[in-house]
Amino acid sequence: NAGVTQTPKFQVLKTGQSMTLQCAQDMNHEYMSWYRQDPGMGLRLIHYSVGAGITDQGEVPNGYNVSRSTTEDFPLRLLSAAPSQTSVYFCASRSSFSSHEQYFGPGTRLTVT
Amino acid sequence: EDQVTQSPEALRLQEGESSSLNCSYTVSGLRGLFWYRQDPGKGPEFLFTLYSAGEEKEKERLKATLTKKESFLHITAPKPEDSATYLCAVYQAGTALIFGKGTTLSVSS
Repeated sequence: NAGVTQTPKFQVLKTGQSMTLQCAQDMNHEYMSWYRQDPGMGLRLIHYSVGAGITDQGEVPNGYNVSRSTTEDFPLRLLSAAPSQTSVYFCASRSSFSSHEQYFGPGTRLTVT
Repeated sequence: EDQVTQSPEALRLQEGESSSLNCSYTVSGLRGLFWYRQDPGKGPEFLFTLYSAGEEKEKERLKATLTKKESFLHITAPKPEDSATYLCAVYQAGTALIFGKGTTLSVSS
């Protein structure tokens, strides 16, 4: 198993550009989520999904869109990048509602200039 | 007000010098407390889950304990390879995981 994979590993965007961060898992986990990690702020939840076709907002959803068309994939879209979205983004997955043992991907470091 | 507070923010130890990291939480209806390890440039790696006060879990030099208000991660005779940031998170019924800001541990030989 590859676990949770994320691409790209690094990305630089200009203000106003859009892009999609990819996340995939091969563990057949129902629950997937996106976090951002900023210095001094800890991990903050952006969006999450409890299964294909179902998504919901987390703590900091503004400026981001998600969709979940398959169990394996959970892409995160930045609609119009802003410098405040400079961060490290982590995707995570877990197997069920009763177990919150989350598995994290390696992260995407995004810089918006 | 932070619902999950970790202390200290940073901890420097000599190899073999045991110590503890603290995670205090204010959420009600706790459904689980989680400890993760994060190495620089990598995603968090799951260590332990604790569900009820009095519960303890051990893995190598690490032991996690839980009370009604806080959790401790005890590190016994640490080695340089234990250097990392340790994250605590809690799950409150009806919400996602709430993370603390982490404790960065440095162990020198």
